[in-house]
Amino acid sequence: AQSVSQHNHHVILSEAASLELGCNYSYGGTVNLFWYVQYPGQHLQLLLKYFSGDPLVKGIKGFEAEFIKSKFSFNLRKPSVQWSDTAEYFCAVTDSGTYKYIFGTGTRLKVLA
Amino acid sequence: DAGVIQSPRHEVTEMGQEVTLRCKPISGHDYLFWYRQTMMRGLELLIYFNNNVPIDDSGMPEDRFSAKMPNASFSTLKIQPSEPRDSAVYFCASRKGIPYNEQFFGPGTRLTVL
Repeated sequence: AQSVSQHNHHVILSEAASLELGCNYSYGGTVNLFWYVQYPGQHLQLLLKYFSGDPLVKGIKGFEAEFIKSKFSFNLRKPSVQWSDTAEYFCAVTDSGTYKYIFGTGTRLKVLA
Repeated sequence: DAGVIQSPRHEVTEMGQEVTLRCKPISGHDYLFWYRQTMMRGLELLIYFNNNVPIDDSGMPEDRFSAKMPNASFSTLKIQPSEPRDSAVYFCASRKGIPYNEQFFGPGTRLTVL
């Protein structure tokens, strides 16, 4: 069965620090990859997605992610975080044969002002 | 569009009671998903529908849980009887068509079973 691993469960950073959140998946076929964000008290929103083409994907609010097929990874990055980036971040994968997402357990990011 | 609408936003009930959660997907979306979020297990897919038909209910934890989608604009998730371990935030999401389209999530229902 497919699975998604997010190894960092809690991350604390100071403002202006660089961010990288890890995401690995366990599926060898064609995949679609997503990062969602959940701000405190809010619902999940799409940050960015990859389905084909350039493996470096840019999303909203200065986030980007790189798909590395050989490593089964789709890590999320931001060069300089802000206090408003405090949220929980979820990586998800879906394969082209089924229509459901498999979500990782999430990474809680806290940015200190 | 108002987005995915869920009701109620908060529900507090006692063990053994029936609980019904409601969802209105975005108009024109043909996929609807029910998720449960807990600290211990993260975000779990419970069931999803395509064109009002349940496609995969393998995530439904047990027979106490049931879901229906009588039409394209309404779905329910029912728990009967409820138990304290059902306490969680339940999200509904909808999507149009192909898998790499974005899923739009509702605001969630926070369920507390005493």
